[in-house]
Amino acid sequence: GAGVSQSPRYKVAKRGQDVALRCDPISGHVSLFWYQQALGQGPEFLTYFQNEAQLDKSGLPSDRFFAERPEGSVSTLKIQRTQQEDSAVYLCASSPDLGETQYFGPGTRLLVL
Amino acid sequence: AQSVTQPDIHITVSEGASLELRCNYSYGATPYLFWYVQSPGQGLQLLLKYFSGDTLVQGIKGFEAEFKRSQSSFNLRKPSVHWSDAAEYFCAGSSSYNTDKLIFGTGTRLQVFP
Repeated sequence: GAGVSQSPRYKVAKRGQDVALRCDPISGHVSLFWYQQALGQGPEFLTYFQNEAQLDKSGLPSDRFFAERPEGSVSTLKIQRTQQEDSAVYLCASSPDLGETQYFGPGTRLLVL
Repeated sequence: AQSVTQPDIHITVSEGASLELRCNYSYGATPYLFWYVQSPGQGLQLLLKYFSGDTLVQGIKGFEAEFKRSQSSFNLRKPSVHWSDAAEYFCAGSSSYNTDKLIFGTGTRLQVFP
């Protein structure tokens, strides 16, 4: 079956530009997670949802970062007024429910110039 | 603070040789532990996980890992490496009261020579 998909796969933004990154989870998966992976580092937790409810957003680095999942399926991570330090791979994962294995998408590589 | 440490940034082995990738954790209680593999352009794939019970965990692709509480370690092993195992390997942990918030190590890049 189809796995987690993310779009775009690559995004180049000018500093100060707003960007939106999309995640399509595996069909029927209740939980959805966002991670940020800087170059040469492991993924770092940003936020997660159970259905449309955002249960934890403690990892979002600033108020420029915003995530939503309005209908409990597709999620969007929005970054406002991008900065160079936002350059990273943004990974999305989904799981059948909380406490179950997370399945990761291929990521969106964001480069802020 | 909770943390996961992978001491080796880069490891090189010959095809057919045995492999051990190190992972140490720092948690107040016994964490849930995971090993993921990441190939270029691919998402993270779960190799195995430890929640409780038997401390030797078998995973996919012939990998296994052993939980050692006394050493705060969860090392990944494979008896005979294949060229296709070349990838980045990440150890991750989560607490028993927040099992979904994974904390990853910095990764170990495995290179395999023919």
